[in-house]
Amino acid sequence: RKEVEQDPGPFNVPEGATVAFNCTYSNSASQSFFWYRQDCRKEPKLLMSVYSSGNEDGRFTAQLNRASQYISLLIRDSKLSDSATYLCVVNYATNAGKSTFGDGTTLTVKP
Amino acid sequence: GAGVSQSPSNKVTEKGKDVELRCDPISGHTALYWYRQRLGQGLEFLIYFQGNSAPDKSGLPSDRFSAERTGESVSTLTIQRTQQEDSAVYLCASSLEWGRVHTDTQYFGPGTRLTVL
Repeated sequence: RKEVEQDPGPFNVPEGATVAFNCTYSNSASQSFFWYRQDCRKEPKLLMSVYSSGNEDGRFTAQLNRASQYISLLIRDSKLSDSATYLCVVNYATNAGKSTFGDGTTLTVKP
Repeated sequence: GAGVSQSPSNKVTEKGKDVELRCDPISGHTALYWYRQRLGQGLEFLIYFQGNSAPDKSGLPSDRFSAERTGESVSTLTIQRTQQEDSAVYLCASSLEWGRVHTDTQYFGPGTRLTVL
């Protein structure tokens, strides 16, 4: 079993749709959680850090459920520009600098 | 402020040659990371520096790969006797530090696209 697992996708949604991605992690000592987006042939860019109370940034909402060991990302009112691969990233302090990346979920928003 | 920068942005080399890739982290970031991403694949962790020290080098794919960091700033990743399977994008990231919540957020550079002919 992978340490971080994401919905494999791809997700193909129309503009304006609401879409949710889930990510599960196996190490209960995990302490930091992030969502990044990666556009084709570009570097990952931080989308959101995920805090235990959940956090929102405009159309994006991230939630953390430590009991069930998953994080989620909700995108409301999808835009064409949201088309990208979304990476779930989990850190735990004893892992000597090694973040654990999910394989990514690809989202395509269509007109 | 300035983000993570990497050079060169593209490098084409012949099999068997050595290459050196450079990363300039965000000023004040003590932690620095190198990753490799092959076309269509996920990120592969290579090595991490805290200050100028790399606690664990086991992520480096072979002994042809080495990395160093000086002055708690710039880092270089060196690949000796390059092979075609080394072709990939090499990404560098930095964070304030490692191991503490809120300070371990990584910011990535644009990467170096390496092509070995």
